[in-house]
Amino acid sequence: GAVVSQHPSWVICKSGTSVKIECRSLDFQATTMFWYRQFPKKSLMLMATSNEGSKATYEQGVEKDKFLINHASLTLSTLTVTSAHPEDSSFYICSATPGTSGTYNEQFFGPGTRLTVL
Amino acid sequence: TQLLEQSPQFLSIQEGENLTVYCNSSSVFSSLQWYRQEPGEGPVLLVTVVTGGEVKKLKRLTFQFGDARKDSSLHITAAQPGDTGLYLCAGAQYSSASKIIFGSGTRLSIRP
Repeated sequence: GAVVSQHPSWVICKSGTSVKIECRSLDFQATTMFWYRQFPKKSLMLMATSNEGSKATYEQGVEKDKFLINHASLTLSTLTVTSAHPEDSSFYICSATPGTSGTYNEQFFGPGTRLTVL
Repeated sequence: TQLLEQSPQFLSIQEGENLTVYCNSSSVFSSLQWYRQEPGEGPVLLVTVVTGGEVKKLKRLTFQFGDARKDSSLHITAAQPGDTGLYLCAGAQYSSASKIIFGSGTRLSIRP
């Protein structure tokens, strides 16, 4: 159980175009989903926290108009990279949590999406 | 600056040797997790430690949470090539039960 999928697994796009990445929790309802980006040989950096039916909370330094997040249902969140540029090329990873505990809610990670902007 | 610093950043050792990876912070965490990540994949949870001073074992891996809940260590005994990967610690803060902050990462390479 607790499987999270991402689509696509990789995408190549031209500079200036927009790219949408989907994150789905397959066998549980995710009250909260998270989006991370990871540069080569680096750790994961949290971009934003997404709660179903409400606006995402972005981390400091992350442009909310550039990285649009929509958490339309309890099993789907999308990240749209608008007007992508080569510096947006990265590995984007989502995670989801059912959020049932008050102490710690385990996150289940997707397999990631490799974005390359030419 | 990273809230959670891991050391060493890189480690290359021979199969059969032992190693320890450290995860340090000046902040207190309600819980701390260790993950292992393969290239091109998402991180996979190895363990969660919750209680200060807690020690958990997973086969040849031993995880310890510091008494003050600010640091943690991962010790691998008799390392094998299959242990190769990126090891990440991540801490959950009291202000948010779900949000976690990842450490800087330790890239481990085990030579056969």
